[in-house]
Amino acid sequence: AQSVAQPEDQVNVAEGNPLTVKCTYSVSGNPYLFWYVQYPNRGLQFLLKYITGDNLVKGSYGFEAEFNKSQTSFHLKKPSALVSDSALYFCAVRPSPFYNQGGKLIFGQGTELSVKP
Amino acid sequence: NAGVTQTPKFQVLKTGQSMTLQCAQDMNHEYMSWYRQDPGMGLRLIHYSVGAGITDQGEVPNGYNVSRSTTEDFPLRLLSAAPSQTSVYFCASSYARTGDSYEQYFGPGTRLTVT
Repeated sequence: AQSVAQPEDQVNVAEGNPLTVKCTYSVSGNPYLFWYVQYPNRGLQFLLKYITGDNLVKGSYGFEAEFNKSQTSFHLKKPSALVSDSALYFCAVRPSPFYNQGGKLIFGQGTELSVKP
Repeated sequence: NAGVTQTPKFQVLKTGQSMTLQCAQDMNHEYMSWYRQDPGMGLRLIHYSVGAGITDQGEVPNGYNVSRSTTEDFPLRLLSAAPSQTSVYFCASSYARTGDSYEQYFGPGTRLTVT
């Protein structure tokens, strides 16, 4: 079955330290990979995506993510965390573009990021 | 552009009542979808549509109906509400054409409580 896993329910980081939020996937074909962020009582906001090309992709608010095909991972990173980065982060994958019409996404269960001053 | 809009923001229903959650987008997106968000379970796809007149079931379709008569609107109907449908509901839309990168745009959500 196709799936996305975020192995950590919560990640705690001190402000100014680097952060990593992990994501692994199990899908067929060459997936499109996404990260979204959800602030309290808000909808999801798109952060970044990997479609093809350079394995390191840069997105909004200083976030970046590294695609690793051999490890089927797409970890989200930021060199220096801010308190305002505290939110719920979702990894999502759109499997097998050729066979999948219209952008259906499979989401991980989410990781709560807490950045303390 | 207003993006993706959802109404209402909050709703309380009694078991057995029916209601419609509204979703509209003004970006001319072909693809629209409904998700429910429950703690620890991420977002689960309820129904989706790849264009007007075309809908299909997602992961958790039971108890919900959808229709897509226009490109802009994609209402979600709860036929007979149950406490298990207490959740936060998100509507999303995206382009669906070959070659597009398909990032989805989300509405602000509807928080539904069924008592």
